[in-house]
Amino acid sequence: AQSVTQPDIHITVSEGASLELRCNYSYGATPYLFWYVQSPGQGLQLLLKYFSGDTLVQGIKGFEAEFKRSQSSFNLRKPSVHWSDAAEYFCAVGLSNFGNEKLTFGTGTRLTIIP
Amino acid sequence: GAGVSQSPSNKVTEKGKDVELRCDPISGHTALYWYRQRLGQGLEFLIYFQGNSAPDKSGLPSDRFSAERTGESVSTLTIQRTQQEDSAVYLCASSLDFASYNEQFFGPGTRLTVL
Repeated sequence: AQSVTQPDIHITVSEGASLELRCNYSYGATPYLFWYVQSPGQGLQLLLKYFSGDTLVQGIKGFEAEFKRSQSSFNLRKPSVHWSDAAEYFCAVGLSNFGNEKLTFGTGTRLTIIP
Repeated sequence: GAGVSQSPSNKVTEKGKDVELRCDPISGHTALYWYRQRLGQGLEFLIYFQGNSAPDKSGLPSDRFSAERTGESVSTLTIQRTQQEDSAVYLCASSLDFASYNEQFFGPGTRLTVL
């Protein structure tokens, strides 16, 4: 079965600094990969997704992620964070041969932004 | 247009009581998903519907959990004889269909507390 690991439970970054959130997956084939953000009191929102093709994926709100097959990673990056980026971030993997009806989520990384 | 809605937003119940959680998906979305999010943990897949059919119920944690969907719209998740370990946020999501390239749109969740 596929699994997702987000090794950082909590990250604190200064506003304006760069950000990288780590995500590693375990799956025999190329999975479908997603990053979702959960802001306080709100539902999850899709930031970006990777299915195939270019391994550098651009998303909303200035985020990007890079799929690295050799490292089984799909890390999320942003060059300069804003206070509004404070939220919980979830990486998820879907089986490529059955579609994404059964996404497996990581445990999340809580991002705190300090002035 | 309206997003995915869930009701109630909060539910406090006593151990042993039954609860019903409701999800209204985005109009026209044929796929609907239920997830559970325990405190400090990632999302746990419970069940999904394609139309009114639930092809995969393997994520339901016990036979106390059941779900139904009528008319390719509203879905209810029922938990019978609730236990304290059922306390969690229950999230519903919908997508156009369960094809892998379709984004899942999440509702705000129902926070269930079992005393």
